[in-house]
Amino acid sequence: DTGVSQDPRHKITKRGQNVTFRCDPISEHNRLYWYRQTLGQGPEFLTYFQNEAQLEKSRLLSDRFSAERPKGSFSTLEIQRTEQGDSAMYLCASSGGTATNEKLFFGSGTQLSVL
Amino acid sequence: SQQGEEDPQALSIQEGENATMNCSYKTSINNLQWYRQNSGRGLVHLILIRSNEREKHSGRLRVTLDTSKKSSSLLITASRAADTASYFCANMDSNYQLIWGAGTKLIIKP
Repeated sequence: DTGVSQDPRHKITKRGQNVTFRCDPISEHNRLYWYRQTLGQGPEFLTYFQNEAQLEKSRLLSDRFSAERPKGSFSTLEIQRTEQGDSAMYLCASSGGTATNEKLFFGSGTQLSVL
Repeated sequence: SQQGEEDPQALSIQEGENATMNCSYKTSINNLQWYRQNSGRGLVHLILIRSNEREKHSGRLRVTLDTSKKSSSLLITASRAADTASYFCANMDSNYQLIWGAGTKLIIKP
């Protein structure tokens, strides 16, 4: 499967715990995006990378959130001291390579539930 | 807000009928994309229409763009049960960032 993969698919955690999600983009894609989505809403932009450089971060993203893409391949999104309001679907997408930067390919997401 | 507005929020039709959903923005449209999302899954790109295009087709999908009204419509003809999903429009800015609508939830009744 050469699509975007995310791990885990589901995560249940207690408030105050830290969680980390992983995204493996399509291998030739240089752009990688993280979004958050709550029920009945469109995706909300969190951050994006071009290769290993984090080029933009949403001002809505608190300092409890951090993302890395150390070698310009896979990426991790960490949430520290989780809160119930963090419960959402976290989506990763990638673009670029021989295709254009215009079309995003999404993973199936990680559904986070904070109890 | 730059967020797109989608109309209707939900649509329920009989299989075989056509479904039309609309999207509008307050800002200018550069390239407008439509995505489909099945329940609990990621989004799948359907079609892209550029600001210099007025209409585009892909299979049973027809997309129109009116840049003067900053709006777009997605028409799905001869709907099937498998078309049941949420449909999102997204306007791409010059930094390749997508500004999303809130989506239209489409239900196709057998």
